Amino acid sequence: LAKTTQPISMDSYEGQEVNITCSHNNIATNDYITWYQQFPSQGPRFIIQGYKTKVTNEVASLFIPADRKSSTLSLPRVSLSDTAVYYCLVGDRGNQGGKLIFGQGTELSVKP
Amino acid sequence: DAGVIQSPRHEVTEMGQEVTLRCKPISGHNSLFWYRQTMMRGLELLIYFNNNVPIDDSGMPEDRFSAKMPNASFSTLKIQPSEPRDSAVYFCASSKDRVGEKLFFGSGTQLSVL
Repeated sequence: LAKTTQPISMDSYEGQEVNITCSHNNIATNDYITWYQQFPSQGPRFIIQGYKTKVTNEVASLFIPADRKSSTLSLPRVSLSDTAVYYCLVGDRGNQGGKLIFGQGTELSVKP
Repeated sequence: DAGVIQSPRHEVTEMGQEVTLRCKPISGHNSLFWYRQTMMRGLELLIYFNNNVPIDDSGMPEDRFSAKMPNASFSTLKIQPSEPRDSAVYFCASSKDRVGEKLFFGSGTQLSVL
C-alpha cells in the first residue's frame, strides 16, 4: 500500500490561498489520490480526487505532477470555517482493490 | 438520501459488557467500511465489505471484535467483551460500486467503556 506523508499542521489567515502537499513516493499505476476534510465531531468528508495533472471543483484544486509521487491540495481564499484536518489518501479504484488508509492528516488552522 | 446512518450516536458502557454498533449505508452503495478514530492512533480501518462480503478484516484489533453485513442495507460492529481501551469514535462509511471511490461517512458513534 502506498504510504502518504503530510505536514502535521499549518497555519493561515483568512483570505489567503493554502497549499497542502502530500508525498506518496510508492504510488502504484492504478492508484488515485483523494483528499478528505474532517471537522471536530464529524466524519471525514470527500473534497477532491484525481489521477494526474490538475483537477478543480467548487471547493479546491488538486495538482499532481507527472511522476505522481506527490500531490498538492490548493484551497483558495480560506475562511475560518476551513479550519479542519485534511487527509491525503492513495488507493486503487478497482473492484475489491486496495483498502483506503488514512494517514495522520494535516491540521489547518485559519486565523482572522 | 439521508446519508450513512449510524446508531447509537453515543454509547457509555461498563467494561465486560457487549457493545453493538449499527450502520445503514447509502442505498445503492456496495462497499462498506468500519473505521475507528482515537487521538493516539488516528483513523484506523477495521474492516471493509464489498457486496456484503468481508474483503479485509486485518484491521480488526482482536477476536473481541466482529462485524457482519447480513444485507446491503445494514451492518453491525460488535465488541464482546468491551474494554476501556476500546473507547473511541467508530465511523461507518460507504461507497458506490468500487473500493476506492468517494467515501461517505456517517456521524460516528462515540463509545466510552468505563
